[in-house]
Amino acid sequence: AQSVTQPDIHITVSEGASLELRCNYSYGATPYLFWYVQSPGQGLQLLLKYFSGDTLVQGIKGFEAEFKRSQSSFNLRKPSVHWSDAAEYFCAVSLRGGYNKLIFGAGTRLAVHP
Amino acid sequence: NAGVTQTPKFRVLKTGQSMTLLCAQDMNHEYMYWYRQDPGMGLRLIHYSVGEGTTAKGEVPDGYNVSRLKKQNFLLGLESAAPSQTSVYFCASSWELAGGNEQFFGPGTRLTVL
Repeated sequence: AQSVTQPDIHITVSEGASLELRCNYSYGATPYLFWYVQSPGQGLQLLLKYFSGDTLVQGIKGFEAEFKRSQSSFNLRKPSVHWSDAAEYFCAVSLRGGYNKLIFGAGTRLAVHP
Repeated sequence: NAGVTQTPKFRVLKTGQSMTLLCAQDMNHEYMYWYRQDPGMGLRLIHYSVGEGTTAKGEVPDGYNVSRLKKQNFLLGLESAAPSQTSVYFCASSWELAGGNEQFFGPGTRLTVL
């Protein structure tokens, strides 16, 4: 079945530590790939997106993500986490050739310890 | 620019009551979407609109109706609320309908149905 999987429901890291949030998708063709962040009580904000080309994508707030076709993955990374990064992170895909329907993973909630 | 706004921010209903959620965007976007967010399930598309006067069903449309009488507004209605409709509702809009285009999200409406 077509799906987007975020294996980690909760992650806790210390401030200043590195971060990697995992995302895997299950589709026949490579979809468009997105990472959104949702701060408490807020809507979703786009961090970055992958369409084609360079498999390492830079986003806002110091985040980056790497697309790996062989692993059907699009993991989000940040080298040094700040307390303000505490939020929920959603991986999402939309299908090429289709309409702009975003399919979301279940989300990963990030807590940051001082 | 306010971006995407939603009214109200919170609402408590009794089973069987009706209500309308309002979404407004000031970015002149053609395409608008309503999602619901439930714990552990990410966001799921309820209905969407490809322009003024048009609407279409998404992934979970049952129990909801929508209208797009003006380009900048997208209304979501619950005719007879049920406890299963307790959720956080997000509106979004985008320039294009084709897959891959960024969707801009409102801050959400938290609805509780008792």
